[in-house]
Amino acid sequence: DVKVTQSSRYLVKRTGEKVFLECVQDMDHENMFWYRQDPGLGLRLIYFSYDVKMKEKGDIPEGYSVSREKKERFSLILESASTNQTSMYLCATGTSGNTDTQYFGPGTRLTVL
Amino acid sequence: QKEVEQNSGPLSVPEGAIASLNCTYSDRGSQSFFWYRQYSGKSPELIMSIYSNGDKEDGRFTAQLNKASQYVSLLIRDSQPSDSATYLCAVTEGRTDKLIFGTGTRLQVFP
Repeated sequence: DVKVTQSSRYLVKRTGEKVFLECVQDMDHENMFWYRQDPGLGLRLIYFSYDVKMKEKGDIPEGYSVSREKKERFSLILESASTNQTSMYLCATGTSGNTDTQYFGPGTRLTVL
Repeated sequence: QKEVEQNSGPLSVPEGAIASLNCTYSDRGSQSFFWYRQYSGKSPELIMSIYSNGDKEDGRFTAQLNKASQYVSLLIRDSQPSDSATYLCAVTEGRTDKLIFGTGTRLQVFP
C-alpha cells in the first residue's frame, strides 16, 4: 500500500508567519504534488516535483515555494502567511508514465488568523 | 483553460439503487481518467482508473469512457449509505503527469 503522510493534521498560524508543511512518501514515487482545496473551487495545483531538486509551478504558485531535497520528502513553504491562504492542503504522490495515478496524504487544514 | 465539469449535486438515490455520476472534459489530449471518492473532512481516495474507451468494472463500480464525446462516467450498483461522499473526476492534462480535477458531485444514499 502507498503511504503518504503529512506533518500536521491541523495547523493554526498568524498572519506574516513562515509556515512549513511537509509530506513524506514511502513508495519511491518520482512525482509529488501540492494542492489546496477550497469549497466550490475544487483541487488546485500549487507546485509539483518530478525529481529531487526539480519543481514546476502549478496553477496558483503565488505566495508559496517548495523544496525537494530527498526523493521521499516534499515541503510546501508559505513565506508570509496571509488569511487568504486558509485552506485544506493536500499532498499527492505518483509515478510518471502512462498510469499517472496519484495517491493523497491525509491533508493539513491550515487556518491563518 | 482546460476544464473538467461535474454536476455538483447532491445526487440522492435510495439504498440498493444504481447511482450514475457523470463528467465531461475539454482536453482532447487527456490520456488517463480517474474517479476519487472523498468523505467530508478527509482526503481523496482513488476508486477507479480507466485508460481506454469502453467499460471497466471493479466490484460494484463501473467506469465508462467515451473519448470521442469527452465523457467519463461512474456507475455504483447496489448503492449503500456508506457510499455517501463527494466523487471527484480527474483527467490527465494532455500527456503530462498532472491531473485536472472536477469540483465533484455529492452523492447521498438514503436508507
